[in-house]
Amino acid sequence: GAGVSQTPSNKVTEKGKYVELRCDPISGHTALYWYRQSLGQGPEFLIYFQGTGAADDSGLPNDRFFAVRPEGSVSTLKIQRTERGDSAVYLCASSLTGVSTDTQYFGPGTRLTVL
Amino acid sequence: AQSVSQHNHHVILSEAASLELGCNYSYGGTVNLFWYVQYPGQHLQLLLKYFSGDPLVKGIKGFEAEFIKSKFSFNLRKPSVQWSDTAEYFCAVNADTGFQKLVFGTGTRLLVSP
Repeated sequence: GAGVSQTPSNKVTEKGKYVELRCDPISGHTALYWYRQSLGQGPEFLIYFQGTGAADDSGLPNDRFFAVRPEGSVSTLKIQRTERGDSAVYLCASSLTGVSTDTQYFGPGTRLTVL
Repeated sequence: AQSVSQHNHHVILSEAASLELGCNYSYGGTVNLFWYVQYPGQHLQLLLKYFSGDPLVKGIKGFEAEFIKSKFSFNLRKPSVQWSDTAEYFCAVNADTGFQKLVFGTGTRLLVSP
């Protein structure tokens, strides 16, 4: 079946603008994760959903970042008042049940550039 | 808090050379350990994982890793690399407490010359 998909693949915006990044997980996967990868770094955890609820949002850097998963499938990461430091690749992953031994399957990422 | 260290940031090998990439983690409890690979132009994919049992884990494409609890290490090995192994390799850990987030190392870029 299809893997995790993310749209758009690239997003260029101006400082101060609002952006939305979308993630479509693998069908049937109940757990969904967002990570952020800056240049030269490994992915950094942002938020984890189990079903519709955010089970852990401890990685969100500040209140400009927000994510939703209203129907337990597609998720949207929302960034308000973007800053140049938000430029990174935003990765989405999903796993079948969310137990810690599950494999997380990653999407191709959205490269966000804030000018 | 958990952390992962990958000390080799860039590795250059010739085809047929042996590979060992280091990974050390910091966490006092039981952990699950993962190696992910990102080939040029592709997304992250799982190479192998360890969560219990035999500490020597075999993964795809001839890769293996050994969990040494006393050293907090999970080094990745391959006896003979191929040009197609050129990629970036990430070690990751999560706590075996039902807590899902993966903590990644900074990655190792491997270049295999033909």
